[in-house]
Amino acid sequence: GAGVSQSPSNKVTEKGKDVELRCDPISGHTALYWYRQSLGQGLEFLIYFQGNSAPDKSGLPSDRFSAERTGGSVSTLTIQRTQQEDSAVYLCASRPSGGGSYNEQFFGPGTRLTVL
Amino acid sequence: AQSVAQPEDQVNVAEGNPLTVKCTYSVSGNPYLFWYVQYPNRGLQFLLKYITGDNLVKGSYGFEAEFNKSQTSFHLKKPSALVSDSALYFCAVRDASGGSYIPTFGRGTSLIVHP
Repeated sequence: GAGVSQSPSNKVTEKGKDVELRCDPISGHTALYWYRQSLGQGLEFLIYFQGNSAPDKSGLPSDRFSAERTGGSVSTLTIQRTQQEDSAVYLCASRPSGGGSYNEQFFGPGTRLTVL
Repeated sequence: AQSVAQPEDQVNVAEGNPLTVKCTYSVSGNPYLFWYVQYPNRGLQFLLKYITGDNLVKGSYGFEAEFNKSQTSFHLKKPSALVSDSALYFCAVRDASGGSYIPTFGRGTSLIVHP
């Protein structure tokens, strides 16, 4: 079946511009995560959505970052007034809830963001 | 609080030799432990997990991992490495008794298998 998809795969933008990154999770997965992967830094948690509950935004690095999830499916991560330090690969993952909270995550291929 | 450490940034091994990628963790309660692999320009792929039960867990591509509670470790192993195993490996932990559903990932270990 279809996996997690992300778009665009690559995004080059100028400092100060806003960007939107999209994630389409696996159908039926109620949990959705956004991570940022910088070279040598591992995975940095950004935000977590679970069903209709309020998202856990504890990982967002600044108020320039926001995310929403519409209809419990597609999610958009928005970065306003981009800075060069925002350059990274942004990964989305979804997880099924049935069977227990210990289910593994399914990751998308990521969006590589470059801020010039 | 939960944390995970991958003490080696890079592991080098010759093809056909056994490989080990190390992971240690810290949680308040019992751990859920995961290994993921990332090939170049790809997202992470799930390899295996420990939830409960047998300490030796077998996963995809011939990988296995051993849960050691006394040493708080979950090392990834494979009896005979392949060049195609060369990739970035991530260990992750989540506290089973915590209220958060957010796992903590290690910094990753680059595995290089030489022909």
